[in-house]
Amino acid sequence: DAGVTQSPTHLIKTRGQQVTLRCSPKSGHDTVSWYQQALGQGPQFIFQYYEEEERQRGNFPDRFSGHQYPNYSSELNVNALLLGDSALYLCASSLALYRDAEAFFGQGTRLTVV
Amino acid sequence: AQKVTQAQTEISVVEKEDVTLDCVYETRDTTYYLFWYKQPPSGELVFLIRRNSFDEQNEISGRYSWNFQKSTSSFNFTITASQVVDSAVYFCALGNISSGSARQLTFGSGTQLTVLP
Repeated sequence: DAGVTQSPTHLIKTRGQQVTLRCSPKSGHDTVSWYQQALGQGPQFIFQYYEEEERQRGNFPDRFSGHQYPNYSSELNVNALLLGDSALYLCASSLALYRDAEAFFGQGTRLTVV
Repeated sequence: AQKVTQAQTEISVVEKEDVTLDCVYETRDTTYYLFWYKQPPSGELVFLIRRNSFDEQNEISGRYSWNFQKSTSSFNFTITASQVVDSAVYFCALGNISSGSARQLTFGSGTQLTVLP
């Protein structure tokens, strides 16, 4: 049973560019959440997708957007990249039916903006 | 607003010692979840334990135990007989039950645990 998979694992982009990160949830999961983890910090919630819609959003600007596909996989898009967007981006999946179930995390995408 | 504080930035212990990681949280919610996650160098967050705010019973699971005290808003985590493989960053996290989740978590800044052989 595959867990949460994210691609790519590492990425280097130039300031001002756009980037797309991808996430495939754990088999059977229908909800995907994205987190940003700056170096030496804890993860910060970006947004959550369920039934192909953004359901909850953290304190992130509109440059951060996402999408969820019918197969529950998800993308995180970041426009007009800033140096401060350099971070580990983590995807977490869960099953909406079980409200108190823990989320499973992927290994993340390490984004470096130069 | 929710907040999680992990005052211990780094801890070093010698193998087989017991170690306790501290966590203090703030929330206006009356019901919530508390979690501990482990992050090895590979980056993946590994779920360790979950506690609901309405259940203050403290438990032991293998070498892990936790002490949840709602009166002091603390959720401390203890590893008994530590092992080198326990070396990682440990995060305490707070989840909002009313928002459906477990899945929108507020994390602390983490504690780097190093277990020396």
